[in-house]
Amino acid sequence: QKEVEQDPGPLSVPEGAIVSLNCTYSNSAFQYFMWYRQYSRKGPELLMYTYSSGNKEDGRFTAQVDKSSKYISLFIRDSQPSDSATYLCAMRKQTGANNLFFGTGTRLTVIP
Amino acid sequence: KAGVTQTPRYLIKTRGQQVTLSCSPISGHRSVSWYQQTPGQGLQFLFEYFSETQRNKGNFPGRFSGRQFSNSRSEMNVSTLELGDSALYLCASMNSGGSNEQFFGPGTRLTVL
Repeated sequence: QKEVEQDPGPLSVPEGAIVSLNCTYSNSAFQYFMWYRQYSRKGPELLMYTYSSGNKEDGRFTAQVDKSSKYISLFIRDSQPSDSATYLCAMRKQTGANNLFFGTGTRLTVIP
Repeated sequence: KAGVTQTPRYLIKTRGQQVTLSCSPISGHRSVSWYQQTPGQGLQFLFEYFSETQRNKGNFPGRFSGRQFSNSRSEMNVSTLELGDSALYLCASMNSGGSNEQFFGPGTRLTVL
């Protein structure tokens, strides 16, 4: 069993929809949580970076972490065709051990 | 600031050959990590270098190695290439002691024939 699980999708939504992307994890040592967006033939781009439980909002993006349930989410409001990409969750155990553990990614398509 | 740069962007090699990939981190970042991305396994951590020293290593065979130079630029080397080494190799730059966010380069697409 992988330490980080993510539904690979694909997920197709109409423009303007609210998108919910999720990951679960098994190791309670994870303390830092990230969401990356990866366009085709590009490297991952950091979208959100959070520590511990709670919500963080940045524009149309909201990251949510529930450490008690070992569950993290990314919400995209008013989705745009330019949001079409693969979204990767990632997490890290502690400062000093910087290697990231990634989900497999969810491919999102926003239909105009 | 310029982002993370990786060269070359594409490589085609044959089994048994070796390959060297290069990464230049964001100016001022001293930590460089390497990841392998494949459709089956996703992104997997290879190793991290900080101040010319390997600080952390993933679960890959010894054919995968790396180094870092005094200017923080890093190289990774894969010897005796196998078909399964075909992947996107990504380099991530981090400002240790700061936010510890990792910023990725565009990757090098390696195809082994």
